[in-house]
Amino acid sequence: IAGITQAPTSQILAAGRRMTLRCTQDMRHNAMYWYRQDLGLGLRLIHYSNTAGTTGKGEVPDGYSVSRANTDDFPLTLASAVPSQTSVYFCASTPDGSSYNEQFFGPGTRLTVL
Amino acid sequence: GQNIDQPTEMTATEGAIVQINCTYQTSGFNGLFWYQQHAGEAPTFLSYNVLDGLEEKGRFSSFLSRSKGYSYLLLKELQMKDSASYLCAAMDSNYQLIWGAGTKLIIKP
Repeated sequence: IAGITQAPTSQILAAGRRMTLRCTQDMRHNAMYWYRQDLGLGLRLIHYSNTAGTTGKGEVPDGYSVSRANTDDFPLTLASAVPSQTSVYFCASTPDGSSYNEQFFGPGTRLTVL
Repeated sequence: GQNIDQPTEMTATEGAIVQINCTYQTSGFNGLFWYQQHAGEAPTFLSYNVLDGLEEKGRFSSFLSRSKGYSYLLLKELQMKDSASYLCAAMDSNYQLIWGAGTKLIIKP
């Protein structure tokens, strides 16, 4: 692996189903982020983690949960998907969440909830 | 509140120069980022400014005025591959990025 990977690339999901989006990085970055990107809107932060074992809520956390059991992995779970969660989801990481570093992005997951 | 404003779309000609403006309002300020995003792809980092002035990096330059809450990205010698969205993002006091909706740049031959 080089950088950040996300899985799946795309998914169509029935409303009410549970779904976990996976994110893995091999850069040993401490901080990781989940964003959603919708047409006409900027990237919006869902949840973040500044270090393994800690997580925090972003701008739009409702309906989503995350965990950070180790440095490399940062899965995002939709407990019961709703159509308004249709979006493109990007995972990102940076060496230190308390500094001026650029964020590196994964390729994204395109999710459609019907 | 926190807010980032940038034009929705701009059109320019191959070989020309284009300036994409961004104004921001954040709780605290730890710098201004510009990212490039091609359609269907992830954003990639272009530049970072935290001090007033112009930062030049090849064909791309970025300017910041902290007192005016204003930045611009200047692209010179435009190429067709520069057709993309350009995202402005301000870093707030918690080191989190507040993102603009992006400016779609269309390059015409």
